Amino acid sequence: DVKVTQSSRYLVKRTGEKVFLECVQDMDHENMFWYRQDPGLGLRLIYFSYDVKMKEKGDIPEGYSVSREKKERFSLILESASTNQTSMYLCASSLPEVHGYTFGSGTRLTVV
Amino acid sequence: AQSVTQPDIHITVSEGASLELRCNYSYGATPYLFWYVQSPGQGLQLLLKYFSGDTLVQGIKGFEAEFKRSQSSFNLRKPSVHWSDAAEYFCAVGAMEYGNKLVFGAGTILRVKS
Repeated sequence: DVKVTQSSRYLVKRTGEKVFLECVQDMDHENMFWYRQDPGLGLRLIYFSYDVKMKEKGDIPEGYSVSREKKERFSLILESASTNQTSMYLCASSLPEVHGYTFGSGTRLTVV
Repeated sequence: AQSVTQPDIHITVSEGASLELRCNYSYGATPYLFWYVQSPGQGLQLLLKYFSGDTLVQGIKGFEAEFKRSQSSFNLRKPSVHWSDAAEYFCAVGAMEYGNKLVFGAGTILRVKS
């Protein structure tokens, strides 16, 4: 019954590596989101997408980029990973209206 | 801009006791309000949501929340807490004027003691 799938639960990467975090949803949702979660800061929006090939910056886009070539898949890219990008990354999807999100289980990324 | 404040970082409650988690938001128009729960190592699960109408909304797992416009609050309550309720709880606010983006509070970690 999994609806939003993040490809990795745990990931360890080296500083300077290019990192891809993948997210796939099977609910035919138009909207997809990437958040990072840090203790005491809650969830902060990195990027979001309202449709295929469309993307918009969230509150903390620096150091990240995204790709949405197909409706069901939304990828987060760390162009050159740094230790301050060590975090939990959460993907979510939703219908066009404000209905609330369905979240994936998260990817805990550690950059060493 | 929208903002959400959860004043309590940690709350400890005895099993069987009642619970109230506080949430205050800042937004000019009528917001859409949500509560999510996150168990350790998991993603977020929607507990309940408020869009309009009755200001007391019922959710899953026996939770309810009350929207109070005059206080800009949307507090989460449960009459009797179970040990399995130990988790982190997030309040979130959205609005049509801001597209479908939600703004989340910093979260409240609930500990349940037996």
